[in-house]
Amino acid sequence: QSVLTQPPSVSGAPGQRVTISCTGSTSNIGAGSDVHWYQKLPETAPKLLIYGNDNRPSGVPDRISGSKSGTSASLAITGLRAEDEADYYCQSYDISRSGLVFGGGTRLTVL
Amino acid sequence: EGQLVESGGGLVQPGRSLTLSCAASGFIFDDYAMHWVRQAPGKGLEWVSGISWNSRSVGYADSVKGRFTISRDNAKNALFLQLNSLRTEDTAFYFCARDRRPMFQGGDALDIWGPGTMVTVSS
Repeated sequence: QSVLTQPPSVSGAPGQRVTISCTGSTSNIGAGSDVHWYQKLPETAPKLLIYGNDNRPSGVPDRISGSKSGTSASLAITGLRAEDEADYYCQSYDISRSGLVFGGGTRLTVL
Repeated sequence: EGQLVESGGGLVQPGRSLTLSCAASGFIFDDYAMHWVRQAPGKGLEWVSGISWNSRSVGYADSVKGRFTISRDNAKNALFLQLNSLRTEDTAFYFCARDRRPMFQGGDALDIWGPGTMVTVSS
């Protein structure tokens, strides 16, 4: 059972918009800890997509965005492409555990 | 940009020990906190341990506390993870990753990751 809760799967057709939610608690996201998002493809290292809730590293397209409100955060991907098919993870810091916490991951399928 | 490369994984029997290493290059190693993150087969990402830039602050997941020890050698641009009393549930791909800040408390993002090294715990 992950500390941060994500839907196991989401899907969308090419060109559509999808969102992935990440729900935490008052000891992590709700305590003011930032939320970060990663893309994970099979047999490869995770790739940072969003840091500090809504910031994109250089090279990440602006069709990918993040937001945070209260004890939750969301990742949005617009203009879906086949290459977006991957697992996505949110991450934050938990004050009560004194460590990083990840969501359980969401498998994005492009129909 | 920076690069991380892990080594030291392999097949080990339950109860035995193993040491993982992570070689860093292309950035000023002692400007950043570092972490170990693992992914068991078919499972999600799990934070294992983190260490501040000067080694004065370390943290562990409850699942490994008391069994694993993180350390770093800034002179050699290297990060280590000593895995003791290994269990079958420790079987996973282990990644080292760079924190965006010098201290890991507060939880910034992990912006550089190594390709990982596989640890299999089995008799």
